[in-house]
Amino acid sequence: DADVTQTPRNRITKTGKRIMLECSQTKGHDRMYWYRQDPGLGLRLIYYSFDVKDINKGEISDGYSVSRQAQAKFSLSLESAIPNQTALYFCATSDYTGFAFFGQGTRLTVV
Amino acid sequence: KNEVEQSPQNLTAQEGEFITINCSYSVGISALHWLQQHPGGGIVSLFMLSSGKKKHGRLIATINIQEKHSSLHITASHPRDSAVYICAAQAVSNYQLIWGAGTKLIIKP
Repeated sequence: DADVTQTPRNRITKTGKRIMLECSQTKGHDRMYWYRQDPGLGLRLIYYSFDVKDINKGEISDGYSVSRQAQAKFSLSLESAIPNQTALYFCATSDYTGFAFFGQGTRLTVV
Repeated sequence: KNEVEQSPQNLTAQEGEFITINCSYSVGISALHWLQQHPGGGIVSLFMLSSGKKKHGRLIATINIQEKHSSLHITASHPRDSAVYICAAQAVSNYQLIWGAGTKLIIKP
């Protein structure tokens, strides 16, 4: 089994719909992250969580929300999807040193 | 100017060649990460280093803290090394990663 599992792997949704991307990890790490990747750009941090009771905004949190349901689970929601949220989304987890393990990514298309 | 700059953006080489990818950063860091993104999209962490040099198989990562520069080397390159290589600086202020834009490497047989 993968250390970090993202579901779904691919999703096409309509503008205005609410969508949730889920992430679970088996590394036992406290720290979890959601990133967005657009073609030609570096990864950008959406939200991060250093433990179950800790949620922090990243550089591009507008239009997104997260929920840390347990140490192993961190979900990302788009409350009302818009086309410029079309991107590749990655969940990651790290230990206190920062060495990260990534999920396989979720390719989201908003039409 | 971006805080993390990689060069080159694209690199095509023949199988067997020695590959060097460079990363310069302008922020104070606690560590420098190198990652590999496969054509299918998955990202794998290769190295995390704060000084000196690390080696894993045919991959070598070096860092010069004074010059704020890191390099990733691939010896005896192979077509399966074709991927995007990304460096990311772990900021000393908040431990967040500042990402480079990546270097797309193609190794031709």
